[in-house]
Amino acid sequence: GAVVSQHPSRVICKSGTSVKIECRSLDFQATTMFWYRQFPKQSLMLMATSNEGSKATYEQGVEKDKFLINHASLTLSTLTVTSAHPEDSSFYICSARVGGGDFYEQYFGPGTRLTVT
Amino acid sequence: GQNIDQPTEMTATEGAIVQINCTYQTSGFNGLFWYQQHAGEAPTFLSYNVLDGLEEKGRFSSFLSRSKGYSYLLLKELQMKDSASYLCAVRDRLGGGSQGNLIFGKGTKLSVKP
Repeated sequence: GAVVSQHPSRVICKSGTSVKIECRSLDFQATTMFWYRQFPKQSLMLMATSNEGSKATYEQGVEKDKFLINHASLTLSTLTVTSAHPEDSSFYICSARVGGGDFYEQYFGPGTRLTVT
Repeated sequence: GQNIDQPTEMTATEGAIVQINCTYQTSGFNGLFWYQQHAGEAPTFLSYNVLDGLEEKGRFSSFLSRSKGYSYLLLKELQMKDSASYLCAVRDRLGGGSQGNLIFGKGTKLSVKP
């Protein structure tokens, strides 16, 4: 159980275009999903917390108008990188929250490798 | 500020035991997690500690000392497939709602040699 999928796994796009990444919880409903970005040899950095039916909460320094997040259903969250630039090239990983209370787990998707040329 | 430190790289021999240390300074604490991440893949959950002491799960064990801001992950009977990065992450009670967000260290790349 608790499988999270991402699509696409890899994408190459030209500078100035937009790219949409999908994150799905396959066998459970996730009211909360998280979007991370990981540069080579760096740690995962939380970009935003996505809550179903409401606006995402962005971390400091993350441009909400550039990284559009939509969590329209309990099983799907999307991240759209608008007007992508080469510096946006990174590994984007989503995770879904399972459980509540003081302890909850986060299950991660397989990641999306974005290359902007 | 938030800071999580762990060694960048470690090398060990197949069949041996290795300990990966993690120290943290965070504004809040609501649990410490260890994840395994193979190159180009997403992290997978290994262990969770919220109280002091040792949690054992098969070949993997994780220890926490909250007063020292210290944890370690112990891997026994190393196998070649254990070659991966190991990420230490702390859930900070602040931010992201009442239960906090995960703050990740940069990871320790473990190489297991025959």
